[in-house]
Amino acid sequence: QSVLTQPPSASGTPGQRVSISCSGSSSNIGSGTVNWYQQLPETAPKLLIYSYNQRPSGVPDRFSGSQSGTSASLAITGLQSEDEADYYCAAWDDSLNIYVFGTGTKVTVL
Amino acid sequence: QVQLVQSGAEEKKPGSSLKVSCKASGGAFSSYTISWVRQAPGQGLEWMGRILPMLGMTDYAHKFQGRVTITADKSSSTAYMELRGLTSDDTAVYYCAKGGWLGTPFDPWGQGTLVTVSS
Repeated sequence: QSVLTQPPSASGTPGQRVSISCSGSSSNIGSGTVNWYQQLPETAPKLLIYSYNQRPSGVPDRFSGSQSGTSASLAITGLQSEDEADYYCAAWDDSLNIYVFGTGTKVTVL
Repeated sequence: QVQLVQSGAEEKKPGSSLKVSCKASGGAFSSYTISWVRQAPGQGLEWMGRILPMLGMTDYAHKFQGRVTITADKSSSTAYMELRGLTSDDTAVYYCAKGGWLGTPFDPWGQGTLVTVSS
């Protein structure tokens, strides 16, 4: 059950900036932090952004996150070929009492 | 650095049960949460539930309540996810991940376990 809405796809040429939106509600994004995950083909998801705009060690600073009200977004600046992957937002939902994920966005590097 | 290693792929018959293990190394197993997330073929991620081994506390997504049981063996630093009454809709890759309590992020993830349910 995907409660968070993301665009199904996004694309850009190498070096461009790509932004992915994540729309939720007051019971999830509006009441907590959003985490972002990157899933390369045939691999497990990997944490990309947490706690508003924190990056785990090893995640390049071309990835950044922002959050306002009931929406969040992930930006990739200086797009690289290795960024071609699926991206998911996620947050705890206080009303459903479950962790909810976004519908996922496939990023293609043209 | 926590590392999670899951059990291997399984093929199951409809109506049967599955039990996937997730062995942790590094860190204090009892003190962190283990969540289970699944991904059906070509689909997105779906949170199933979580356990806090220190207290034995569990939480399950409503969709799976009554059908899923998550346990943890502190002596072997291993978490388990059992799912009963399998149908073809349960065909998916099942992941364990550290985190998920109070909104904490999932990091790291296990490598995933492919479960195929077919007659």
